Amino acid sequence: SQQGEEDPQALSIQEGENATMNCSYKTSINNLQWYRQNSGRGLVHLILIRSNEREKHSGRLRVTLDTSKKSSSLLITASRAADTASYFCAMISSGSARQLTFGSGTQLTVLP
Amino acid sequence: DTEVTQTPKHLVMGMTNKKSLKCEQHMGHRAMYWYKQKAKKPPELMFVYSYEKLSINESVPSRFSPECPNSSLLNLHLHALQPEDSALYLCASSQSSGIHQPQHFGDGTRLSIL
Repeated sequence: SQQGEEDPQALSIQEGENATMNCSYKTSINNLQWYRQNSGRGLVHLILIRSNEREKHSGRLRVTLDTSKKSSSLLITASRAADTASYFCAMISSGSARQLTFGSGTQLTVLP
Repeated sequence: DTEVTQTPKHLVMGMTNKKSLKCEQHMGHRAMYWYKQKAKKPPELMFVYSYEKLSINESVPSRFSPECPNSSLLNLHLHALQPEDSALYLCASSQSSGIHQPQHFGDGTRLSIL
């Protein structure tokens, strides 16, 4: 069953602007990951944040995690047309299940 | 180019056919995964292999049969599929099945059932 919901479902911005995507989840997690999927391609891992971390950076990406609100956000700064893709949050739940469960995804379009 | 290679890229088959999807990685990863992804939906886990042993089967119908011949290869054997099985099938691998291991995905096999 789907553990995460992403908001917005679709986002369209101009090149150079920042893009923010949000992910909410239902149960306690061990970590939360963000993946990108270009059209017709597989998923690419972007960043992993553990449940005891609050913020993580990687290049133009900034991820925050608020376990009290069961939510995470992905910020892409100074977006480029090449950032156009679907972005999925994914999480490993606490407890016995160790499989990765994906959120519903955000389709980001960056207009040149 | 991805480090996980899936073949074929596209497959069209009838409901009575038998075919196999193949996945290969040479990163020394010991966990491998099959996912199914319908259009505009997130991937859904089907199977997990850890150290060449099936560790998770997400209640997948028996018309899908996974096989892990060695630590680099993962197959998905298909038989008597239904039209609703048309989807993108993604293979992934990770260093281990540990909870903090990111997964590396192939570009998938796009499967169409006639």
